[in-house]
Amino acid sequence: QKEVEQNSGPLSVPEGAIASLNCTYSDRVSQSFFWYRQYSGKSPELIMSIYSNGDKEDGRFTAQLNKASQYVSLLIRDSQPSDSATYLCAVKPGNTGKLIFGQGTTLQVKP
Amino acid sequence: SAVISQKPSRDICQRGTSLTIQCQVDSQVTMMFWYRQQPGQSLTLIATANQGSEATYESGFVIDKFPISRPNLTFSTLTVSNMSPEDSSIYLCSVEVAGLAKDEQFFGPGTRLTVL
Repeated sequence: QKEVEQNSGPLSVPEGAIASLNCTYSDRVSQSFFWYRQYSGKSPELIMSIYSNGDKEDGRFTAQLNKASQYVSLLIRDSQPSDSATYLCAVKPGNTGKLIFGQGTTLQVKP
Repeated sequence: SAVISQKPSRDICQRGTSLTIQCQVDSQVTMMFWYRQQPGQSLTLIATANQGSEATYESGFVIDKFPISRPNLTFSTLTVSNMSPEDSSIYLCSVEVAGLAKDEQFFGPGTRLTVL
């Protein structure tokens, strides 16, 4: 079982819709969770961090964390074509200083 | 966050040679890391760069192949030694910045390496 799992996609949504990206992780004692956006040919950009169960909102982005079920999700409201990118989920396991990345989900927002 | 620069941004190298990649940050950082991203793949941690001491390498990566230096808090180098075409990849440094949110890592622009 991979430590951090994402559906590779592509996930295709129409412009203006809500995009829902999901991630599951295996280490129950993980404390820190992150979403990165990576445009083709660019480096990853941190867009959300979440540490506690529940929702965290920042503009059009909402991160959701459920530690009991070991999943973290990212919702993008009013999706725009400029949101088309690969979204990487990253988890910091409880006993190490490193981040573990999922394979990434490719999002396509169609005008 | 922090402004992170990497040199070179890209290079094409011959098999058997070595390339040193530099990472410079404009802020005090607590942690520095080196990652590799192979074509179409996610990020794999190579090592944690420790200031003034040997880097901590992940399974599958060794110091002879990927020597790392970190002489101060804001600068690190990664050398890819005795390169083969399998080393063709994007190499990224990342940092945790003092005083910002817990565990957040920020990435440099990356170095795109092609080995012929």
